[in-house]
Amino acid sequence: DVKVTQSSRYLVKRTGEKVFLECVQDMDHENMFWYRQDPGLGLRLIYFSYDVKMKEKGDIPEGYSVSREKKERFSLILESASTNQTSMYLCASSLISRQPQHFGDGTRLSIL
Amino acid sequence: AQSVTQLDSQVPVFEEAPVELRCNYSSSVSVYLFWYVQYPNQGLQLLLKYLSGSTLVESINGFEAEFNKSQTSFHLRKPSVHISDTAEYFCAAVGGSEKLVFGKGTKLTVNP
Repeated sequence: DVKVTQSSRYLVKRTGEKVFLECVQDMDHENMFWYRQDPGLGLRLIYFSYDVKMKEKGDIPEGYSVSREKKERFSLILESASTNQTSMYLCASSLISRQPQHFGDGTRLSIL
Repeated sequence: AQSVTQLDSQVPVFEEAPVELRCNYSSSVSVYLFWYVQYPNQGLQLLLKYLSGSTLVESINGFEAEFNKSQTSFHLRKPSVHISDTAEYFCAAVGGSEKLVFGKGTKLTVNP
């Protein structure tokens, strides 16, 4: 079974800090995704990657960047954290486009 | 652009009652459809998918959904719900853009 592991379940950071959220998948999937989930807004795509060193902006990329140096790892970076980035962050992977995505358990990030 | 509408944000039902969670999508091209379930403090799990073939798809825990192209709908149904079905359910679609688009979710609460 596919396993997507996010490095932290809960994280508390301060405004202005640089924050790294890590995600690792163990099934050699080509595609990886970062979403944020907020009450009443559902899931919104931040960034995604179709291959190593490739990245594409999703619907809400402002204030975020990503890194994919290895196929199994996809990192989300908050360059200078702000309170409006307090949210649940979900990582996902899929074998190819249009196939089901597999999700990690999420990281609940609080920016104080 | 692809969009997914879940018509009900919250659905309360009694145990052993039938339930329908509604989902409509907008697409002028071939579309793949999914239902995901999220239990408290967990990531999303794939419940069922429509990729092609039979328009009625079933999950292992008694849920089913029917792809209706003329009504652009993919409603989720279960004839008799259990307390353990309490969760948030997300409908999602991928079409020409290759990106998965989620609805805003429906919180199903099953009461004894």
